[in-house]
Amino acid sequence: NAGVTQTPKFQVLKTGQSMTLQCAQDMNHNSMYWYRQDPGMGLRLIYYSASEGTTDKGEVPNGYNVSRLNKREFSLRLESAAPSQTSVYFCASSADWADTQYFGPGTRLTVL
Amino acid sequence: KQEVTQIPAALSVPEGENLVLNCSFTDSAIYNLQWFRQDPGKGLTSLLLIQSSQREQTSGRLNASLDKSSGRSTLYIAASQPGDSATYLCAVRGLDSNYQLIWGAGTKLIIKP
Repeated sequence: NAGVTQTPKFQVLKTGQSMTLQCAQDMNHNSMYWYRQDPGMGLRLIYYSASEGTTDKGEVPNGYNVSRLNKREFSLRLESAAPSQTSVYFCASSADWADTQYFGPGTRLTVL
Repeated sequence: KQEVTQIPAALSVPEGENLVLNCSFTDSAIYNLQWFRQDPGKGLTSLLLIQSSQREQTSGRLNASLDKSSGRSTLYIAASQPGDSATYLCAVRGLDSNYQLIWGAGTKLIIKP
């Protein structure tokens, strides 16, 4: 039982490049989330998907897009990376919107 | 707007001590509150979830309390061990935040052998 997996673990981009962060869960959870974590700050929600087929903006959605590909997979895309998007990105899932969230190991992204 | 604060930002104590980590929030209209643990370079692990109707939750050496009226939660760790060293984060699910979690910045705990 792998839980929540994320790829890649590390990535370096140049300003203006694009990339997609992948996330998958094998717990049959309905809800999935993308967060970013910056030094000295709490996690901030970028986008979430309360259930398959739905996505909603979180606190900091600008510069990002998401796709809930199916119940297992939820991807995050940076269309034109900026240095301000340098951060650690976490994917999480929960059985339902109010339940405990389970986190992946994170992707450390640096934008030069 | 809900704000979550964790003080202190860092704490170092000798092994074996009992300790308390603090979490405060500004809006008492919450659905639940969760405590997580984060080890360096890794994801977060859920420790305890307290519903708004509950006063406390216990798991092993951990006990979390909730006082909604004062906007406070504490995480009590009994008989601390070096393996407890990690960053502890609390997160509040408010009724007015589209059911999203609002996070504190965490307390980095170091248990000295």
